[in-house]
Amino acid sequence: DVKVTQSSRYLVKRTGEKVFLECVQDMDHENMFWYRQDPGLGLRLIYFSYDVKMKEKGDIPEGYSVSREKKERFSLILESASTNQTSMYLCASSVANSGNTIYFGEGSWLTVV
Amino acid sequence: GDSVTQMEGPVTLSEEAFLTINCTYTATGYPSLFWYVQYPGEGLQLLLKATKADDKGSNKGFEATYRKETTSFHLEKGSVQVSDSAVYFCAIGGAGSYQLTFGKGTKLSVIP
Repeated sequence: DVKVTQSSRYLVKRTGEKVFLECVQDMDHENMFWYRQDPGLGLRLIYFSYDVKMKEKGDIPEGYSVSREKKERFSLILESASTNQTSMYLCASSVANSGNTIYFGEGSWLTVV
Repeated sequence: GDSVTQMEGPVTLSEEAFLTINCTYTATGYPSLFWYVQYPGEGLQLLLKATKADDKGSNKGFEATYRKETTSFHLEKGSVQVSDSAVYFCAIGGAGSYQLTFGKGTKLSVIP
């Protein structure tokens, strides 16, 4: 089974803090994704990466950056957390070809106070 | 671009009732179609998928058929259980795209 592991399930951070959300997948997938999920808005893509050191902006990249130094690891960075970034963050991965199944981690609940 | 429209929730059903959650899409070419399920407090899990017209995806008693003529992929289950209470997301994977486009989700509550 594919396993996508997010390092923290629940985090509480203060406004202005730098926040790192870590994600690791164990299936040698080329593609990795970060989504945020908010009530009434569904899932929105923040960034994705199709290879080591490669990244593409998704629908809502503002206020976020990402890092992919190794194939299995994809990090989401909030440079200066704000209260409107309080959300559920979902990491996911998939194999390279288009239209393939995306596998999700369990999610990280971030509260910014 | 690609888009997905699924029925608004929440949906509340009694145990053993029949379930339909409608999903329609717009896309160019021949996308792959997916249903994901999210149980409370968890991430999304793949429920079923279909990759070409007239394919039927099925899993855990749920079914959905890829209808290209109506651009639809409606989710059905003949007899729901309390354990099916979750949020269901329809998604499409467009040809040539790494990403999936998701609907907004439909929350299902099944009461005993």
